[in-house]
Amino acid sequence: KAGVTQTPRYLIKTRGQQVTLSCSPISGHRSVSWYQQTPGQGLQFLFEYFSETQRNKGNFPGRFSGRQFSNSRSEMNVSTLELGDSALYLCASSFVGVKDEQYFGPGTRLTVT
Amino acid sequence: GENVEQHPSTLSVQEGDSAVIKCTYSDSASNYFPWYKQELGKGPQLIIDIRSNVGEKKDQRIAVTLNKTAKHFSLHITETQPEDSAVYFCAAHMDSNYQLIWGAGTKLIIKP
Repeated sequence: KAGVTQTPRYLIKTRGQQVTLSCSPISGHRSVSWYQQTPGQGLQFLFEYFSETQRNKGNFPGRFSGRQFSNSRSEMNVSTLELGDSALYLCASSFVGVKDEQYFGPGTRLTVT
Repeated sequence: GENVEQHPSTLSVQEGDSAVIKCTYSDSASNYFPWYKQELGKGPQLIIDIRSNVGEKKDQRIAVTLNKTAKHFSLHITETQPEDSAVYFCAAHMDSNYQLIWGAGTKLIIKP
């Protein structure tokens, strides 16, 4: 079956701009989680959506937001970009949530200049 | 809140030898502990997981052990091969906050 896809794979933005990242989960998966990965920091949980509802949110400022559509595809948005937002953003899908095996996409590499 | 510490940050072993990566967690209510492997340019992939009602789990060359009293769990890889070279992440989950808390990762290098 097709894996998790994320678009775009690479993105360069300038401070103050906003960005939208997209994630298409594996067919049949209703849970989509987003993570920020930076060197030496592991994966930081952003939020999780299940059946179009945000079920949990990590400790990130309100500039980070997301949504999920009826077909389970998800988007995350970052407004007023800061240099510190430069990171790899990973999306993961699963059938029921974070205690189930999560299937990760390859990520979107965001660089803020 | 929950915190997960992972050691070492880098581990270099000779091909064929064993590798052990250790994680400690802070909240005794944690009940699910997965291990993920991340290869260069890819997202993490689940390799093994363990739940709090089990002390050890094996899958071929990979095993995970859990010590609930000491609040630590370890990944054991035996007979290491070049394809084991990757970054390994541990994580812990509590039902109350419904998210995975991740360790900082261990870069495993297999020397030929």
